[in-house]
Amino acid sequence: AQSVAQPEDQVNVAEGNPLTVKCTYSVSGNPYLFWYVQYPNRGLQFLLKYITGDNLVKGSYGFEAEFNKSQTSFHLKKPSALVSDSALYFCAVRDMTGGFKTIFGAGTRLFVKA
Amino acid sequence: NAGVTQTPKFRVLKTGQSMTLLCAQDMNHEYMYWYRQDPGMGLRLIHYSVGEGTTAKGEVPDGYNVSRLKKQNFLLGLESAAPSQTSVYFCASSYSEGSNQPQHFGDGTRLSIL
Repeated sequence: AQSVAQPEDQVNVAEGNPLTVKCTYSVSGNPYLFWYVQYPNRGLQFLLKYITGDNLVKGSYGFEAEFNKSQTSFHLKKPSALVSDSALYFCAVRDMTGGFKTIFGAGTRLFVKA
Repeated sequence: NAGVTQTPKFRVLKTGQSMTLLCAQDMNHEYMYWYRQDPGMGLRLIHYSVGEGTTAKGEVPDGYNVSRLKKQNFLLGLESAAPSQTSVYFCASSYSEGSNQPQHFGDGTRLSIL
């Protein structure tokens, strides 16, 4: 069965410092992996996805994510955090062989302090 | 483009009342989804549709019904509201070709059942 874990409920980082939001997954086949961001009172917005190929994926707003097959991880990263990056981040996984059903993690709240 | 539009944005119901949540998308997407978001639980799939005239149960379908009479609209109904259905409801849509496409979300309906 598919599953996604975001081990940290909240991540705190100072503005200008690098940030990492962690995600690990479990699927029976090869995964499609996604990161979404949610701002207050808004729906989820797509940030980036991993389908195949280069393990480092670049997305919107300067975010990137590193796919690690051996560790079944897909951590979200940004070299220099902004206060405006403060939001709720969701990792999601879809099994390529299991149709289109997407499983979302519980979310990690990122707080960037000025 | 408006993307995915949900109405209403807020609603308060009494236990036992019924209501319908409307989702409309203008991207010609085949797939549409209804999720509920509860604190610490991520997104849980209620029902989904793979095309006009089709619907299917998701992870937590009990107490809800859906209809997809037109490709652009996906309705979520609560026949007899219960306090456990207090939540934020999100509609999403996606293309049908391939399962590597992200979902596009509306801004949610905040529903309180008293």
